Amino acid sequence: NAGVMQNPRHLVRRRGQEARLRCSPMKGHSHVYWYRQLPEEGLKFMVYLQKENIIDESGMPKERFSAEFPKEGPSILRIQQVVRGDSAAYFCASSPLRTGGTGELFFGEGSRLTVL
Amino acid sequence: DQQVKQNSPSLSVQEGRISILNCDYTNSMFDYFLWYKKYPAEGPTFLISISSIKDKNEDGRFTVFLNKSAKHLSLHIVPSQPGDSAVYFCAASGRGDTDKLIFGTGTRLQVFP
Repeated sequence: NAGVMQNPRHLVRRRGQEARLRCSPMKGHSHVYWYRQLPEEGLKFMVYLQKENIIDESGMPKERFSAEFPKEGPSILRIQQVVRGDSAAYFCASSPLRTGGTGELFFGEGSRLTVL
Repeated sequence: DQQVKQNSPSLSVQEGRISILNCDYTNSMFDYFLWYKKYPAEGPTFLISISSIKDKNEDGRFTVFLNKSAKHLSLHIVPSQPGDSAVYFCAASGRGDTDKLIFGTGTRLQVFP
């Protein structure tokens, strides 16, 4: 059973370009979470999605960031007009059902975005 | 607004000794707590958890203690092994929330021979 797959593992973009990060959850998992880890910081929640629905986007910056989890295909975190401050590791996690507060998530290996 | 705090950024312990990692939280609505372990260039992996109805949970060398009145939890690793060297994140979730985990900033544990 493959784990959470994220790609690309490393992405370099120039300021003003767009970054697209993809996440395929574990088989059977329909809940996806995106977290961001800035250098020397902890993991910050960004967004929680179920298939075709955004459940909680309270951690998403108001501008330039968007996320989707379509019926078919991976979840995508999209960052438009990237700036240097967007440089970070972006982690995707999945769970098989609404965890009801038990909280165990399965994480991918992360996508490391570098903005030049 | 850091709801989950790990005030020790690093900890160094000799192999065979006990490692104690600490975590404090501010939100009294949190009712489930987890510890994740992270190696460089990898994603976090789940280690152990505890519900707020308990004050201790043990799994092999790992034990998590919860003190609700102090809003404090700790992870004990005994005996510590060099392979335990990693960054440890404390996380919490709350009933009625959207199940997102709130993470602390992590403690880097180094176990030396």
